[in-house]
Amino acid sequence: KNQVEQSPQSLIILEGKNCTLQCNYTVSPFSNLRWYKQDTGRGPVSLTIMTFSENTKSNGRYTATLDADTKQSSLHITASQLSDSASYICVVSARTSGDNRKLIWGLGTSLAVNP
Amino acid sequence: DTAVSQTPKYLVTQMGNDKSIKCEQNLGHDTMYWYKQDSKKFLKIMFSYNNKELIINETVPNRFSPKSPDKAHLNLHINSLELGDSAVYFCASSHGLAGGHTNTGELFFGEGSRLTVL
Repeated sequence: KNQVEQSPQSLIILEGKNCTLQCNYTVSPFSNLRWYKQDTGRGPVSLTIMTFSENTKSNGRYTATLDADTKQSSLHITASQLSDSASYICVVSARTSGDNRKLIWGLGTSLAVNP
Repeated sequence: DTAVSQTPKYLVTQMGNDKSIKCEQNLGHDTMYWYKQDSKKFLKIMFSYNNKELIINETVPNRFSPKSPDKAHLNLHINSLELGDSAVYFCASSHGLAGGHTNTGELFFGEGSRLTVL
């Protein structure tokens, strides 16, 4: 069964600290993996996309890693800011047929950055 | 300048009523979606339209009827509202089908429409 599990469910850190969010998936056949940021009351916004051959990708203070062998991904946030407070959602794309894909969504990690 | 816009942002209504949510995108995308986010924050695909044709219909009750008058619009009409329909409904769009390898298939979401059924 295709599943995406994220940990921790929620996290509280102090401004300026680093943190790492985890995503484990059992999706096959794997196409790509995305991390989304969802601010409270807003729609999700894509942070990074990673394909099978990519191990790491950065977007500013956000760095995503992917280990396709162990089916794990992480999102590392450096020097956190108050504006990083949001839900971070891992989404894995599974190939279905031809160019078709199915998105498997995680439940997200709720991050609170306190001053 | 809003890329994907939904109206209304908030909707409070009585059980049994019929309501509609409208969505418009100005990104020139050919694929649009409706997602439902429940109280547990889980995002679930409901419908997807590609070039005005329905391509995904995920076991949604037939009280929900999407309508795509053109590629830039995807509206959602809900009949006989039930308490369990209370949720945030997100419209999204993409160039090509979602889940592609590159920027193709990247989803752009609207701000959401919070529906409360009393």
